[in-house]
Amino acid sequence: DGGITQSPKYLFRKEGQNVTLSCEQNLNHDAMYWYRQDPGQGLRLIYYSQIVNDFQKGDIAEGYSVSREKKESFPLTVTSAQKNPTAFYLCASSIRREPGVQPQHFGDGTRLSIL
Amino acid sequence: QQQVKQSPQSLIVQKGGISIINCAYENTAFDYFPWYQQFPGKGPALLIAIRPDVSEKKEGRFTISFNKSAKQFSLHIMDSQPGDSATYFCAAGKAGGTSYGKLTFGQGTILTVHP
Repeated sequence: DGGITQSPKYLFRKEGQNVTLSCEQNLNHDAMYWYRQDPGQGLRLIYYSQIVNDFQKGDIAEGYSVSREKKESFPLTVTSAQKNPTAFYLCASSIRREPGVQPQHFGDGTRLSIL
Repeated sequence: QQQVKQSPQSLIVQKGGISIINCAYENTAFDYFPWYQQFPGKGPALLIAIRPDVSEKKEGRFTISFNKSAKQFSLHIMDSQPGDSATYFCAAGKAGGTSYGKLTFGQGTILTVHP
């Protein structure tokens, strides 16, 4: 079955530690996205990538980093510079077909907590 | 100008009733308006979407109404069922440029349908 796989489902971070969240898709989608979800605040865009080896900052990129070395993979690193990392992190992907925006498909998220 | 404002924050409806969730946007460049449904511990799933060339779109019990001049759109759930109890997000996106494919999400509405 095609879809988006996020791992791990739960992750704990110690003070000063960097952690990496995995996102893999087998939908052959060009674009991939990372969102952060906090209660009552909807989904906020962290980073997005429209093609391999290219990515752009979203609205809340500070304290996060990404890479896009393969079409199917878009890992997110939560660095120690992110002082409030506790949240539900969601990865999404979409095809890129001009001219209209295409639907985004989401994984089932990783819940990150501070130890 | 990128904000999407969603209301109400929470909604309680009796089984068989109509659930209505509203969203308003500022950026007239938005040209894609999806609604997502999210169950606890899961990622959002696309429910229905509309583009501004139509004023209404219906899929089963779900209808989007779109008012371009008022910059508002709404989700109507007819004959609401307990299984519809979830968090609903509206979003808006625009094609073209470096913002291609980006979605701006509303804050979410927690819907509870009582049996």
